[in-house]
Amino acid sequence: QPVLTQSPSASASLGASVKLSCTLNSGHINNAVAWHHQQPQKGPRYLMKVNSDGSLTKGDGIPRRFSGSSSGAERYLTISSLQSDDEGDYYCQTWGTGIVVFGGGTKLTVL
Amino acid sequence: QLQLQESGPGLVTPSETLSLTCTVSGDSISGTNFYWGWIRQSPGKGLEWIANIYYGGTTYYNPSLKSRVTISVDTSNNQFSLKMRSVTAADTAVYYCARLLWSNIVTDWGQGTLVAVSS
Repeated sequence: QPVLTQSPSASASLGASVKLSCTLNSGHINNAVAWHHQQPQKGPRYLMKVNSDGSLTKGDGIPRRFSGSSSGAERYLTISSLQSDDEGDYYCQTWGTGIVVFGGGTKLTVL
Repeated sequence: QLQLQESGPGLVTPSETLSLTCTVSGDSISGTNFYWGWIRQSPGKGLEWIANIYYGGTTYYNPSLKSRVTISVDTSNNQFSLKMRSVTAADTAVYYCARLLWSNIVTDWGQGTLVAVSS
């Protein structure tokens, strides 16, 4: 079954860019992943789906400064022009046969 | 616009059954491309998928919870529900209902409801 690995934390300055990564385990490197953002004390919000070929399907109303990309077993979420509202936890998510899997999440701090 | 609203008791006694309902508005639960699911988040922890259901009745469960969980759908009321038996303090969490595209990708989330297991 798929396993997703994320760095526990990341930080970047206000107005800068940050690239978060999500690593798929062997045997599942062609899976698409979804990225979700959870602001402090709020529920998650779907951001986008990133396919293995780098193509994206964004959620409704997600700004252009959120983008995704793919390389091998890695799926990336890049946020440009960081704002204070971008702080929070970012989770990647994929699926296997009859199951849904989440990564452990990356806590993003905007300095 | 799709809205998902969880409802149910905020406090459950240990060893009893946790019961939650998700009311779907803005779309039909009988849509052909979507599954409906439950996901939880223990305090200070990450997200844990619990179960998915299709309006036709196909279900999928997290293997670690399967023995205690039942997900069901009520198409006449545009709702789906979760029952978790023999709860312990470890089941204390915020429970989210969600919509998934073909049981794969979570595309919509409810706001979540906190359920505490305590005597």
